[in-house]
Amino acid sequence: DAKTTQPTSMDCAEGRAANLPCNHSTISGNEYVYWYRQIHSQGPQYIIHGLKNNETNEMASLIITEDRKSSTLILPHATLRDTAVYYCIVRVVWSGGSNYKLTFGKGTLLTVNP
Amino acid sequence: DVKVTQSSRYLVKRTGEKVFLECVQDMDHENMFWYRQDPGLGLRLIYFSYDVKMKEKGDIPEGYSVSREKKERFSLILESASTNQTSMYLCASSSGSMQETQYFGPGTRLLVL
Repeated sequence: DAKTTQPTSMDCAEGRAANLPCNHSTISGNEYVYWYRQIHSQGPQYIIHGLKNNETNEMASLIITEDRKSSTLILPHATLRDTAVYYCIVRVVWSGGSNYKLTFGKGTLLTVNP
Repeated sequence: DVKVTQSSRYLVKRTGEKVFLECVQDMDHENMFWYRQDPGLGLRLIYFSYDVKMKEKGDIPEGYSVSREKKERFSLILESASTNQTSMYLCASSSGSMQETQYFGPGTRLLVL
């Protein structure tokens, strides 16, 4: 899997959009960008993933640059409950391979302030 | 919504005890995984299963075994608990190919005294 780089920490005001960047300059053509988050002492929660098009679901939006070397996770209206460590990972998703285990880097600690 | 549940959120055991951690998923997923998560070491895969009664070792299987008698349930067994098995244990499941999106349970924080 390609390596990712994320800021160690970020702050966001409650009700504002939180924009979390991720660099993955060595991403290859068959690797997806995945985002998970982990609230303190809980299991990781899947947020969203994408290959090259922007994606949106009920939790967040994922913006991937045209060259796919970086992406941004957007939480449109952050709440206090969004305070968590956010992990950006890139991984191959296709049948028959052996790349099944997940590995998280250090992630970004997002603190949403009242 | 995918629901993965784990039998306990917190568990305290003594050295040498046999420990059972249970995981149940309600989405008919073929694949189930057991990880442990430790500060500074990140996620590490212990065992996984791609079908009933099938299991494969992950990166750190020593001291653990697993059981998958039914599709929805995947158990992690610590044969003789040791203090270095104090950790957060995470179960995950996914459908289809092994590389598909994994959904995690809430985790079990195990303390071995």
